[in-house]
Amino acid sequence: AQKITQTQPGMFVQEKEAVTLDCTYDTSDQSYGLFWYKQPSSGEMIFLIYQGSYDEQNATEGRYSLNFQKARKSTNLVISASQLGDSAMYFCAMSGTGGGNKLTFGTGTQLKVEL
Amino acid sequence: GAVVSQHPSWVICKSGTSVKIECRSLDFQATTMFWYRQFPKQSLMLMATSNEGSKATYEQGVEKDKFLINHASLTLSTLTVTSAHPEDSSFYICSARARPGLIGGQPQHFGDGTRLSIL
Repeated sequence: AQKITQTQPGMFVQEKEAVTLDCTYDTSDQSYGLFWYKQPSSGEMIFLIYQGSYDEQNATEGRYSLNFQKARKSTNLVISASQLGDSAMYFCAMSGTGGGNKLTFGTGTQLKVEL
Repeated sequence: GAVVSQHPSWVICKSGTSVKIECRSLDFQATTMFWYRQFPKQSLMLMATSNEGSKATYEQGVEKDKFLINHASLTLSTLTVTSAHPEDSSFYICSARARPGLIGGQPQHFGDGTRLSIL
């Protein structure tokens, strides 16, 4: 069984500052993928970034980057130069070898960017 | 690329009505589609996995006869909430993947969701 834990229900950050959203995971799979999604108040799920379990380098995608520490089973999302439009719910998720690669989601972190 | 369209975006209907929600992959073929349910301020709960041309695989606790899923083509999956009641009111969202590919390498692309309200 896979488990995703997001321990920060809510986070505040000032505009233009960087923020780190925490995510730890647990799995018995040797190969797995880790994803971050953004969900604005309008409801759509926006794919942000992906990290494969065998990727040696941390993934980056524009202002998004991952601090992937495999031994600690953590994959924290770093958002640099925060913008007001970054205010949203952020979900960490993983998929593994079983179950058709279905996703297991964490409980999410509500991020609010302030002026 | 990788656009998923979900329709309708908002439904309000009377108790006892059946409601059909469509999920379409617009610019890719989706061998697998997923249906989720989300309660306010909570995470996404996977309801079922839908593979083209075969029966859907439902998660434990999800009523197959209540939530009918059909994946008749590589670009369309439908979720029908049969004889809907107020407790079925929720946000339903679908996602699609092009192909299994590398483990976890293919992200799921989501539709915009459907807000279902049963009176």
